[in-house]
Amino acid sequence: QSVLTQPPSVSGAPGQRVTISCTGSSSNIGAGYDVHWYQQLPGTAPKLLIYGNSNRPSGVPDRFSGSKSGTSASLAITGLQAEDEADYYCQSYDSSLSARFGGGTKLTVL
Amino acid sequence: QVQLVQSGAEVKKPGASVKVSCKASGYTFTGYYMHWVRQAPGQGLEWMGWINPNSGGTNYAQKFQGWVTMTRDTSISTAYMELSRLRSDDTAVYYCARTNLPVGTGTTGWFDPWGQGTLVTVSS
Repeated sequence: QSVLTQPPSVSGAPGQRVTISCTGSSSNIGAGYDVHWYQQLPGTAPKLLIYGNSNRPSGVPDRFSGSKSGTSASLAITGLQAEDEADYYCQSYDSSLSARFGGGTKLTVL
Repeated sequence: QVQLVQSGAEVKKPGASVKVSCKASGYTFTGYYMHWVRQAPGQGLEWMGWINPNSGGTNYAQKFQGWVTMTRDTSISTAYMELSRLRSDDTAVYYCARTNLPVGTGTTGWFDPWGQGTLVTVSS
């Protein structure tokens, strides 16, 4: 059971918009720790997608955006493309300064 | 460019130990914390802890305390993660990942880049 809760799966048709939620508590996200998002394509290592709640590393398309409010965060993907099919993980910290990951969300592009 | 290259796959018997290496290049190795994360087959990511490559100081996740040892060799810019008393449920891909925060500025950064992963299989 992950400390950060994500939906196991989401899906959408090409061109659509999907969102992935990441729900924490007052001990982690709600304590002010930033949320970061990673994309993991099949058989590869995770790759940083969003850092500091809403910032994109260079090279990440602006179709990907992140936000944080209270004890939750969300990742939005607009203009869905086939290559976006992957697992997505949120990550934050808790009051013991231990890193915490969400359980992961599998995105299926229909 | 910043790169982390890990050692190859390992097969171990229950009760044995495994030591995975992570060679860093493209930046000052002693300047950034190195974290270790594992992923069991078909499962999510699990944080194991970090090492300060400058001082050798460590911070392990509570689950792994007394069981994992993280070390480094600054002369070859390499971090190591050793897991002892292996069980079948330790079968996983083990990743090293550098944090963005320079040593001394905090330990709650994001992970970028990641190593390619090392598959450790524990089987009798």
